[in-house]
Parts: sequence; C-alpha cells; structure tokens
Amino acid sequence: QKEVEQNSGPLSVPEGAIASLNCTYSDRGSQSFFWYRQYSGKSPELIMFIYSNGDKEDGRFTAQLNKASQYVSLLIRDSQPSDSATYLCAVRGLYGGATNKLIFGTGTLLAVQP
Amino acid sequence: NAGVTQTPKFQVLKTGQSMTLQCAQDMNHNSMYWYRQDPGMGLRLIYYSASEGTTDKGEVPNGYNVSRLNKREFSLRLESAAPSQTSVYFCASSLGDSTAFFGQGTRLTVV
Repeated sequence: QKEVEQNSGPLSVPEGAIASLNCTYSDRGSQSFFWYRQYSGKSPELIMFIYSNGDKEDGRFTAQLNKASQYVSLLIRDSQPSDSATYLCAVRGLYGGATNKLIFGTGTLLAVQP
Repeated sequence: NAGVTQTPKFQVLKTGQSMTLQCAQDMNHNSMYWYRQDPGMGLRLIYYSASEGTTDKGEVPNGYNVSRLNKREFSLRLESAAPSQTSVYFCASSLGDSTAFFGQGTRLTVV
C-alpha cells in the first residue's frame, strides 16, 4: 500500500461543474496536507494547504480534511478548461523516519470539457 | 527572485557514466528535497535534508547519493547511471514543515 493514495483518473467534468479530487494517507500522525497542480511538462505548483480538520476555502478551491478517516479532498467549483492538469496530493509525516518527509500521491488527471 | 534553480535542464548519459545534478535555492529555506517523477508514479522522494549538515533517505534512495553543501545547495549524484534512472528529477525546498517550492526539473535519459 502506498503511503499516499489517489485515483489516477482521468476525471472528466464539464465546464462549470464541480470537480472532486480525493486522497487517503497511511500515517495517522501526519500534520500537514498540500494540494499541488502540475501542467504537462511543468513543475508542481501549490494550490492549497490545510492543517486542521474541516474545510478551507480559497476562491474556487476548497480543501477538506478528516484526520479520523485519514482523508483529504479538493473541490474545484465552476471548473474551467484551464483547470485541466494533474492534481497531486502531498502529506507531511514521519513515515518511519526521524524527521518529517513530504510524500506525494501518484496524482489525479483532471480533464475539463468545454 | 530565482527561487529554486536546477542545472542542467536536460542530460543524456550512457549506462555506467556518472553525473551530479545541482540545486540551489535563494529563499533561505532549511529543508531541501530531491524527487523523481515517472509516468503513472507521481513524485517519489529520493533524499531529503531537513537542515544543513543532515540528509535522510526517502522512498527510492538506491543508486543515488546526496550532498548538502551549505544551506543554499543540495546536489544529487548518480555514480553509475542505469536506464532505470531515466526520469524527470525535481528539487524542492521549504521553510521547515511549510509549503515546498519546486525547481524547473531536469530531464535525464540514460541510454
């Protein structure tokens, strides 16, 4: 089992719809959670981070965290074709080491259809 | 403000050759990371350095060595390149446990 798991997709949504991206993680002690967006051939760029249980909103993006279920999600409202990219979930935790590591999931490919 | 700078951007190696990937950041970050990205595999952590003078293995350290030369620089060395090391390599840095910022990547092909 990977330490951070995501459905690889592709997730296809029509323009204007809500895209829902999900991520689960194995280290119950993990404290911080990140969503990155990566366009093809480019480096990852941060969309949002979340540290506490509940929802965090930033414009069209909402991150949701449930530590009891070891689950984090990203909602994208009013999806645009420019949102089409791979979305990477990242979790910071010890994962057997002495200091916190930043571990990524395999990413979910989102395709927004015009 | 350059952020995280990686060199080179592209490299082709023959099997058995060695090379060092360079990474430097100008954000005064203490933590630095090396990842590799392969199709369908996401970003996999090779090595990380929580602070100057410390390094630790990540998920896929075999075949690699690292040096945290100073606070700014973190290099990744392939002593004897293998075709399985063909990948895109990303360096990243962060201030402690906060957001990590990525370099532009190095596309490495081993033939």
